Amino acid sequence: SQKIEQNSEALNIQEGKTATLTCNYTNYSPAYLQWYRQDPGRGPVFLLLIRENEKEKRKERLKVTFDTTLKQSLFHITASQPADSATYLCALGGSYIPTFGRGTSLIVHP
Amino acid sequence: GAGVSQSPRYKVAKRGQDVALRCDPISGHVSLFWYQQALGQGPEFLTYFQNEAQLDKSGLPSDRFFAERPEGSVSTLKIQRTQQEDSAVYLCASSPGLETEAFFGQGTRLTVV
Repeated sequence: SQKIEQNSEALNIQEGKTATLTCNYTNYSPAYLQWYRQDPGRGPVFLLLIRENEKEKRKERLKVTFDTTLKQSLFHITASQPADSATYLCALGGSYIPTFGRGTSLIVHP
Repeated sequence: GAGVSQSPRYKVAKRGQDVALRCDPISGHVSLFWYQQALGQGPEFLTYFQNEAQLDKSGLPSDRFFAERPEGSVSTLKIQRTQQEDSAVYLCASSPGLETEAFFGQGTRLTVV
């Protein structure tokens, strides 16, 4: 069956460092992959979308890579700030329905 | 409104009670999704609408769950004879088309006691 894996353990980093979050998947051939941010008590907020024919995408301090051979996406936040603390969800799309991972909690310490 | 609006924000239901959750998507958005999110988990797909047509309801957990979008805008998720395992946050999302970003509402937190 299709499986999306995101590290269930929280990632703790120091302010100013680069945070790297991982999304691995199996039994899936997504046409695109999305990353969302979710704060407690709120709905997810879209950050970036990367398609299967794209290797890398950037937006301000965010960078996403997509390796369809490794079946993995990496999500980087450079120069992290305490305000970046949240849960980050990856979502895979092969049809019209995004399928979400469970998310990884990021905690940026001042 | 500027975003997706869901109501009520919180709902406490007694076991066996029927509930109705409302979603007002962004105006003009063709696609509408319902997801269920348990604590500490990612959103789990429930059902998808393209305009008024329910194209996929494979994620609905049982026949107690029913969703509609009769005029292709506002959608209602109805849960009949609620059970404790139905307790979760129900998220609605809309998007302008296929393979594009989804805009989520704040969700309705349902607690069944």
